[in-house]
Amino acid sequence: AQKITQTQPGMFVQEKEAVTLDCTYDTSDPSYGLFWYKQPSSGEMIFLIYQGSYDQQNATEGRYSLNFQKARKSANLVISASQLGDSAMYFCAMREGLKTSYDKVIFGPGTSLSVIP
Amino acid sequence: GAVVSQHPSRVICKSGTSVKIECRSLDFQATTMFWYRQFPKKSLMLMATSNEGSKATYEQGVEKDKFLINHASLTLSTLTVTSAHPEDSSFYICSARPNSGKGQETQYFGPGTRLLVL
Repeated sequence: AQKITQTQPGMFVQEKEAVTLDCTYDTSDPSYGLFWYKQPSSGEMIFLIYQGSYDQQNATEGRYSLNFQKARKSANLVISASQLGDSAMYFCAMREGLKTSYDKVIFGPGTSLSVIP
Repeated sequence: GAVVSQHPSRVICKSGTSVKIECRSLDFQATTMFWYRQFPKKSLMLMATSNEGSKATYEQGVEKDKFLINHASLTLSTLTVTSAHPEDSSFYICSARPNSGKGQETQYFGPGTRLLVL
């Protein structure tokens, strides 16, 4: 069963508008971490934001914020004031098994975001 | 900070040869590094977890004799694709998890290596 679901294969947003990229996850671990990465056409993976399962507040990093709803197991990424340079693939990822022998990060299928001028 | 390099960035080789890819954490130490494989327009698939000073842990379905991993120091992990075949052509990307500091909860990625086997 897929542990991370991103239901939007592709998204379009007008420049300067906000956009929400969806992510739901499945884990039985009480302690886990959630991430968002950006992958432009060059292929590099750029770390955007991190949310720990025990963090009380939603994470924010500049124009990026993570809408963490633990009971619903969702970790949506909100990008405010979209820029043309935001066009890229966006991956939601989860770290399970923290500090155990199976500690690893797995990725969702990704969402392709296109920002329209 | 938190820079990871990968070398080479792209390589073309003949079928049957072996190819070594290096992953280095430039400004931090990393006991744990990870190797991923990515096909075009697909997500990253974890191949193995590389631990300094011990054997790598391979994900189910990944041949350990085909993809040799050596984590020789706290800043270097290598992936060797042995007897490469065209189906091994892919984008290989490594990541490193800092041993200390703010970034311990996450991992930072190298720029990736595009392998083409003819």
